Amino acid sequence: GAGVSQSPSNKVTEKGKDVELRCDPISGHTALYWYRQSLGQGLEFLIYFQGNSAPDKSGLPSDRFSAERTGGSVSTLTIQRTQQEDSAVYLCASSSWTSGSSGDTQYFGPGTRLTVL
Amino acid sequence: GNSVTQMEGPVTLSEEAFLTINCTYTATGYPSLFWYVQYPGEGLQLLLKATKADDKGSNKGFEATYRKETTSFHLEKGSVQVSDSAVYFCALSDRGGGFKTIFGAGTRLFVKA
Repeated sequence: GAGVSQSPSNKVTEKGKDVELRCDPISGHTALYWYRQSLGQGLEFLIYFQGNSAPDKSGLPSDRFSAERTGGSVSTLTIQRTQQEDSAVYLCASSSWTSGSSGDTQYFGPGTRLTVL
Repeated sequence: GNSVTQMEGPVTLSEEAFLTINCTYTATGYPSLFWYVQYPGEGLQLLLKATKADDKGSNKGFEATYRKETTSFHLEKGSVQVSDSAVYFCALSDRGGGFKTIFGAGTRLFVKA
């Protein structure tokens, strides 16, 4: 497909379980972001991958959260030992860095709605 | 570091009213500026952008002008419609910040018929 895809679209899990959320960015996009959006709230930045650079993990709320990006494409966000406060919509976005530009449009996926019971 | 500040909502307007949502920024370099919109039940999407000072971004009747002297990028629309009800996010991205996009907190707009 032409857009950013995320899976699953919905995930219900029990407190204490681990979950993995997947993001397929637009082909060729060098930058990939993960955000969290709680009901009625703004975007909370989690992690940012740009090309082969070390990821910016400054937004990860705790060491239960981790993410990787394999081969510069697909990314997986892992939440270990989930807590009820982790319930939110997790959004992925990708963009293409253009040499000489100062920033490019982000294209968002539909999100994964995580519910921790 | 880079930051974006936008007016708190919610903003409630009647149809055909004039809309302004204020956005100011702090950046180390010369950022690109964006407005994203999130309609109810939908994903975030770009509304408009401007990449250099004095540029005006426009789309769907919305406009925003990149004002370097006041470090602002206010969103305006002359006559809002019920269908404009959404959450609006101001954002910036620049080389000095490693191209990481910084979002404002979002402003929820309600338009009444």
